[in-house]
Amino acid sequence: GQSLEQPSEVTAVEGAIVQINCTYQTSGFYGLSWYQQHDGGAPTFLSYNALDGLEETGRFSSFLSRSDSYGYLLLQELQMKDSASYFCALYNQGGKLIFGQGTELSVKP
Amino acid sequence: DAMVIQNPRYQVTQFGKPVTLSCSQTLNHNVMYWYQQKSSQAPKLLFHYYDKDFNNEADTPDNFQSRRPNTSFCFLDIRSPGLGDAAMYLCATSKHTGTSYEQYFGPGTRLTVT
Repeated sequence: GQSLEQPSEVTAVEGAIVQINCTYQTSGFYGLSWYQQHDGGAPTFLSYNALDGLEETGRFSSFLSRSDSYGYLLLQELQMKDSASYFCALYNQGGKLIFGQGTELSVKP
Repeated sequence: DAMVIQNPRYQVTQFGKPVTLSCSQTLNHNVMYWYQQKSSQAPKLLFHYYDKDFNNEADTPDNFQSRRPNTSFCFLDIRSPGLGDAAMYLCATSKHTGTSYEQYFGPGTRLTVT
């Protein structure tokens, strides 16, 4: 089967750095995507890792280790507007996304 | 701006009364998806179209059906909504299945069943 695990919630303060981890089990793995979803809003694509290593996009970075079936999303210089749910999602050989349960990030002043 | 549009944003229907949710896209993407998302849960894929080819997920109830009359539009039909079908329904697109890791979501339709 396919499964993903990520923490249900994380709290951090403005200006800090936070890391959201994601472990997965699957066959036919192609890559790992990350999405942000504000309360009541649509998921928005953040990043995609197909190869091992770090992908950086502004304040957000995403890392993948295929050998460890593990990835993380790193958010730097946290802002209040970063408070949202963050989903890791498996991209597999079926050409579909399987979403994790999401991590609710609360940024405090 | 190119986008994914869903109408209505909020829909109330009665138990057992058929309801149709609409999605349109101006991105000219080949693939369109329908997801169901319940409160504090992950989006769950119901089905997707690659062009006119329909792909149903194995665990999608028969109560849910879909139509894609052309590239731009896709509809979700719930034939006999039950209380358990109350959820946010998200439409998404991707250029083709090879780039399905990057999907563009509409704002969703929140369905209430009374």
